[in-house]
Amino acid sequence: NAGVTQTPKFQVLKTGQSMTLQCAQDMNHEYMSWYRQDPGMGLRLIHYSVGAGITDQGEVPNGYNVSRSTTEDFPLRLLSAAPSQTSVYFCASGTGGVGEKLFFGSGTQLSVL
Amino acid sequence: DQQVKQNSPSLSVQEGRISILNCDYTNSMFDYFLWYKKYPAEGPTFLISISSIKDKNEDGRFTVFLNKSAKHLSLHIVPSQPGDSAVYFCAVKRPGNKLVFGAGTILRVKS
Repeated sequence: NAGVTQTPKFQVLKTGQSMTLQCAQDMNHEYMSWYRQDPGMGLRLIHYSVGAGITDQGEVPNGYNVSRSTTEDFPLRLLSAAPSQTSVYFCASGTGGVGEKLFFGSGTQLSVL
Repeated sequence: DQQVKQNSPSLSVQEGRISILNCDYTNSMFDYFLWYKKYPAEGPTFLISISSIKDKNEDGRFTVFLNKSAKHLSLHIVPSQPGDSAVYFCAVKRPGNKLVFGAGTILRVKS
């Protein structure tokens, strides 16, 4: 039972580079989301999706893009990485569009130099 | 604009005693409240939740209390065990079904 799978676990980027954080879930959840965790800030919502083809912005969307072409996958793209994007990123999924109970992946630790 | 505040960054408790973690929120329109637990190098896992129509919810050693007039949420763990040592996040559900998390409290249970 895989649940929510995130890759890679660790990544180091140089300023200006682009990359995609992958997220896949095998629970047939409609709702998926991306959070970033920073010290003293808790988990902040970046983008979320309530179903394939539907995405919306969270609290801190700038610098990130998402798409949802399938129910299973919800990749997060950094178009031009900045040091302020150094963080731990978590993908989460939940039932329906409600999202009260989220299942989280194990995270991606990203450093931007 | 911090909508959810966990004012204690850390808490240390002796094994077997009660752990009380606190959370304050700003908006009386929030209708659902949750607690998540996080171990190092892992994602958060759901622990317990409560609807705004209730003031208490129990699940084994874990009890969540909601005081709507004070906009205050607390998690009680009795008895505390060393395996409970983790970061605890409270979260509230905003309209549009988005979850807003507090900054977290590090709980250390000493044996």
